[in-house]
Amino acid sequence: EAGVAQSPRYKIIEKRQSVAFWCNPISGHATLYWYQQILGQGPKLLIQFQNNGVVDDSQLPKDRFSAERLKGVDSTLKIQPAKLEDSAVYLCASSLVYGSAYNEQFFGPGTRLTVL
Amino acid sequence: AQSVTQPDIHITVSEGASLELRCNYSYGATPYLFWYVQSPGQGLQLLLKYFSGDTLVQGIKGFEAEFKRSQSSFNLRKPSVHWSDAAEYFCAVGNTGNQFYFGTGTSLTVIP
Repeated sequence: EAGVAQSPRYKIIEKRQSVAFWCNPISGHATLYWYQQILGQGPKLLIQFQNNGVVDDSQLPKDRFSAERLKGVDSTLKIQPAKLEDSAVYLCASSLVYGSAYNEQFFGPGTRLTVL
Repeated sequence: AQSVTQPDIHITVSEGASLELRCNYSYGATPYLFWYVQSPGQGLQLLLKYFSGDTLVQGIKGFEAEFKRSQSSFNLRKPSVHWSDAAEYFCAVGNTGNQFYFGTGTSLTVIP
């Protein structure tokens, strides 16, 4: 079974530029998550999708971050414009169904973003 | 609100020695608890999870964890550490919406 795929693996941009990350979850997984992991910290949930609908985006900085999962499969996370404090690893995860923590979240390798 | 505290930022152990990583959680209901491991440049891999039942949970790679409700703890243990166990370890609490709240992690160094 293929795991969660993310691209690119690394990205370096200058502040005020825009950037997009892509995630393809495990086949059949209805729930998809984006996390931000700043160096020295644990992952922080940015947004949670159930199929193509948003379940929770309370910690997403909506003035600069956006995410979509139009067909309920893969997803993109965008930052526009980027700030220095956005430097982090962006992790995508997926789980089989929504509404039960019995479902393990499977994580992708992450995209390391450096904002100069 | 849910939260997780991992008091130890960094731990160093000798290969073959026993290991215990501490995790304390805050959650109003019955917690769903997880331990994940993250190797450099890798995503998070689930070691074990607790939902209910037996408070001693066995995981992969020889790890186990014990849920203690009275202490709001879910400490991770391994009787004999291998050099390949060097990594970052994260404890997380999940709610019924399957939203996870992670601790800040404990970095493990294994010395020969």
